[in-house]
Amino acid sequence: AQKVTQAQTEISVVEKEDVTLDCVYETRDTTYYLFWYKQPPSGELVFLIRRNSFDEQNEISGRYSWNFQKSTSSFNFTITASQVVDSAVYFCALSETDIYNQGGKLIFGQGTELSVKP
Amino acid sequence: EAGVAQSPRYKIIEKRQSVAFWCNPISGHATLYWYQQILGQGPKLLIQFQNNGVVDDSQLPKDRFSAERLKGVDSTLKIQPAKLEDSAVYLCASSSVLGTGNTIYFGEGSWLTVV
Repeated sequence: AQKVTQAQTEISVVEKEDVTLDCVYETRDTTYYLFWYKQPPSGELVFLIRRNSFDEQNEISGRYSWNFQKSTSSFNFTITASQVVDSAVYFCALSETDIYNQGGKLIFGQGTELSVKP
Repeated sequence: EAGVAQSPRYKIIEKRQSVAFWCNPISGHATLYWYQQILGQGPKLLIQFQNNGVVDDSQLPKDRFSAERLKGVDSTLKIQPAKLEDSAVYLCASSSVLGTGNTIYFGEGSWLTVV
């Protein structure tokens, strides 16, 4: 069965520290997609990144970077030089498929609440 | 481009009452989702539409929850009668096409408290 685990429930850092949010997934599919979303207090889930199972290249976008390792079924997210505005709940998610390729359904982890203090 | 719109943002009802939530997806998005997010948990899919047809409603508690998307655009999610455990945020989302890996965009959610 597909599953996403975010073992860190809460993380607290001081501004300008680097922080890594862990994500481990389980799937029997050979083709799948992984996502990270940010959920600020307003409640909206903000899309950050999508990565497919055939692309293990690391991705960097400004202060954000993602490390995808199929060998360990992990898709970790690092924020460099964290800022107070990064405070939010971050969700890792897996997109599964079915035999009709009518996928797109996201399976979410439990989320990691990041608090960045000034 | 306007995002996914939802209303109402907040609703408090007593148990056994009914409630309805409305969603307008991003213009042109054929796929629409309703997710339930209980406090402290990740969102869980309730129902998925492709245009006005249901793709997946396997996790929708059909004895009390119903959803429709009559003209393939707006959607309504109804709960009747509500239970205390239905207190959650109901997130509507949409994507442009059906299929794995398409980016799904979420609205701000409708926060339901059942007392």
